[in-house]
Amino acid sequence: KQEVTQIPAALSVPEGENLVLNCSFTDSAIYNLQWFRQDPGKGLTSLLLIQSSQREQTSGRLNASLDKSSGRSTLYIAASQPGDSATYLCAVAVDSSYKLIFGSGTRLLVRP
Amino acid sequence: EAQVTQNPRYLITVTGKKLTVTCSQNMNHEYMSWYRQDPGLGLRQIYYSMNVEVTDKGDVPEGYKVSRKEKRNFPLILESPSPNQTSLYFCASQGTATRGTQYFGPGTRLLVL
Repeated sequence: KQEVTQIPAALSVPEGENLVLNCSFTDSAIYNLQWFRQDPGKGLTSLLLIQSSQREQTSGRLNASLDKSSGRSTLYIAASQPGDSATYLCAVAVDSSYKLIFGSGTRLLVRP
Repeated sequence: EAQVTQNPRYLITVTGKKLTVTCSQNMNHEYMSWYRQDPGLGLRQIYYSMNVEVTDKGDVPEGYKVSRKEKRNFPLILESPSPNQTSLYFCASQGTATRGTQYFGPGTRLLVL
């Protein structure tokens, strides 16, 4: 059974710092891996989608990597800003049913 | 604007009183799904639908029903809500032509007394 773990559960950093969020999964047979952002009172916003055949994806200050063999993904946020404060969720698509298995998230606070 | 909408956004009810949470998407997506989010447990899938009149159970279907009579709508029905169904609920949709991202609604916070 696929399990997704995110460490740390919470993170507080000063503005401007580069940071890395971690995601690990137990079964390397995945279709894709997605990183989402969740703001209080709002839904999930997709940040980056990495297909199983890809190693990384970039969008602006965000870079996500995927290493299927080790069951790991990282989300790198460069030059963090207070507006980056949110909960970041990692999710893997496990099969053709489009079902996503989510981690519990990392709650990020970027201090001005 | 491409979006998934849910109603109501907040709901307080009592045990046993039937309720329906609506979900609608305007992207002509075939796939739709319901998740619940609980502290420490992340999001867990309740039910999903691959197309009109095609639905199936997710990981935590007990106490819930769904229907898919139209492509755009996927309501979640709680026939007899109980306090353990107090949670934050999300509806999501995805097009099946490409293996792209899922789009999520804003969530419905439900409290069952």
